Amino acid sequence: DQQVKQNSPSLSVQEGRISILNCDYTNSMFDYFLWYKKYPAEGPTFLISISSIKDKNEDGRFTVFLNKSAKHLSLHIVPSQPGDSAVYFCAASGSQGNLIFGKGTKLSVKP
Amino acid sequence: KAGVTQTPRYLIKTRGQQVTLSCSPISGHRSVSWYQQTPGQGLQFLFEYFSETQRNKGNFPGRFSGRQFSNSRSEMNVSTLELGDSALYLCASMNGPSGGAKNIQYFGAGTRLSVL
Repeated sequence: DQQVKQNSPSLSVQEGRISILNCDYTNSMFDYFLWYKKYPAEGPTFLISISSIKDKNEDGRFTVFLNKSAKHLSLHIVPSQPGDSAVYFCAASGSQGNLIFGKGTKLSVKP
Repeated sequence: KAGVTQTPRYLIKTRGQQVTLSCSPISGHRSVSWYQQTPGQGLQFLFEYFSETQRNKGNFPGRFSGRQFSNSRSEMNVSTLELGDSALYLCASMNGPSGGAKNIQYFGAGTRLSVL
């Protein structure tokens, strides 16, 4: 049973526009959420995180929104750049601490 | 500061063999976690070690085992390899044990294992 779901396997966006990547979770005990970016032949790179006590966290072009009642979070990238093309993983951390990852969304930003 | 180093980068084995993968965490990091990534399955948690002790374990068979040394370096062993074990194995290190909200995991580039 998947506790962290990324329902869109892929997303294509025009350069300069907004990219919105979505993630849903089922376990209300999760208290920390992270987004990682992965390029081919490299390990995932930490991007941004949010604690369950917040509903928004911003870092430059990247903003993560958390809706606890809906058990939903999203990553907004504005403006999108071709170098943002990668696979994005959503991850959640609970009381035991280990990260539970979604299956990823492949973002393609077209020039 | 050097990042997380995994060796080897690529490995080809045959069914029934065993394999050992190595991970050197970022200097000063004492927690090491291992993940398996297969096409379409995302990253699945194998186990976590902190100060040479296994703290958490994912839902994998006993053929998958690991250990951590006093210098925080970790090894992962898979015995009696099966075709389905072909995957990218990722190691991640962290400053403290998992569970703290500020503990972010930093990943190595992975070991690509192919079982023929």
